[in-house]
Amino acid sequence: DAKTTQPPSMDCAEGRAANLPCNHSTISGNEYVYWYRQIHSQGPQYIIHGLKNNETNEMASLIITEDRKSSTLILPHATLRDTAVYYCIVRASAGGTSYGKLTFGQGTILTVHP
Amino acid sequence: EAQVTQNPRYLITVTGKKLTVTCSQNMNHEYMSWYRQDPGLGLRQIYYSMNVEVTDKGDVPVGYKVSRKEKRNFPLILESPSPNQTSLYFCASSARGTGGRETQYFGPGTRLLVL
Repeated sequence: DAKTTQPPSMDCAEGRAANLPCNHSTISGNEYVYWYRQIHSQGPQYIIHGLKNNETNEMASLIITEDRKSSTLILPHATLRDTAVYYCIVRASAGGTSYGKLTFGQGTILTVHP
Repeated sequence: EAQVTQNPRYLITVTGKKLTVTCSQNMNHEYMSWYRQDPGLGLRQIYYSMNVEVTDKGDVPVGYKVSRKEKRNFPLILESPSPNQTSLYFCASSARGTGGRETQYFGPGTRLLVL
């Protein structure tokens, strides 16, 4: 699975959009970009994933550049409860021994302040 | 409610005393796995199971055992715990899917202290 690079920490004001970047310059054509977050030692929580098109769900939006070498997770109206560690993970889809495995990096600590 | 449960949530034990951490999911998922999380090292996979009676090692399997006799349960066994197994443990499960849809659901975690 491709490696990812994220800033170690970011701040965001409550109510504003939080834009979390991720570089994955060695991503392969069959690899998806996943985002998970972990709130204070709770179990990681799935947020969103995408292959090459931008994606949106009730939690966030995912913008993937045309060359797929980087992406941005957008929390449109951050709240204090969005304070967490955000992980960008790149992995291939189902199949083979890597099925299901997530390789977590250090992630980005997002702090939302009042 | 779809969930992954782990028990116990907190455990203090002594070196060498066998223990089992249970994991159960109610989503009929084929895939289950165990991770440990340590400061500065992030989450690392210990063991995984692709279905009943099918298990394999992850990145840090030494000192651990697992079994998958039923689809819903995937216990983690520490036959002879040592202090370096003090950690926060997470169980996870996911359905088999395609198109990147194998999102994983994580349990609440088990904090283990081995003295």
